[in-house]
Amino acid sequence: GENVEQHPSTLSVQEGDSAVIKCTYSDSASNYFPWYKQELGKRPQLIIDIRSNVGEKKDQRIAVTLNKTAKHFSLHITETQPEDSAVYFCAASSPGDTGRRALTFGSGTRLQVQP
Amino acid sequence: NAGVTQTPKFQVLKTGQSMTLQCAQDMNHNSMYWYRQDPGMGLRLIYYSASEGTTDKGEVPNGYNVSRLNKREFSLRLESAAPSQTSVYFCASRAGTGGYNSPLHFGNGTRLTVT
Repeated sequence: GENVEQHPSTLSVQEGDSAVIKCTYSDSASNYFPWYKQELGKRPQLIIDIRSNVGEKKDQRIAVTLNKTAKHFSLHITETQPEDSAVYFCAASSPGDTGRRALTFGSGTRLQVQP
Repeated sequence: NAGVTQTPKFQVLKTGQSMTLQCAQDMNHNSMYWYRQDPGMGLRLIYYSASEGTTDKGEVPNGYNVSRLNKREFSLRLESAAPSQTSVYFCASRAGTGGYNSPLHFGNGTRLTVT
């Protein structure tokens, strides 16, 4: 099955700096890659996603890049703010034999933005 | 529009006790999922239901059972709780079946402690 590895596990940046979180996946058939943000004690919420027919997607200060050949994708947050502090999860999904596979999540990155 | 609603929010059980976690969604989604979240391990899939009347095992199904009562409701049952089942449980849903092409929407979670 799919295996998703996420790095780093913790990341501390100064307010205004950029943050980059990287994930690798194992199943070359994976075709959907969402990123979730989870604030302390709350549910994961989708912040951006990308499909395998696209190499990059941007939404304001957040961007995701995908390298299908290397099987890795990254989340980029620019001009970080204290409210960006949270745990970020990457995930990957492939259609699979039955097409009913759910998401496989990375282990998460705790981002702390220092004021 | 409440999205995905889980009950209860918190629960403490003694080893060997049973309980059912309830989940309902009002987004007319076909697929529903149960995940558990443990520190440093991300989100792991317990069971999922691609459509009303079908359920399938995920990554960590042992010790759990599920019921897809109707399109809206998907419950998770612990027949004989064990301390290893102490975790935060998230229910999620998404539109469509088959190949993955839409994001997961999560409930607010149930924090379960088994003593």
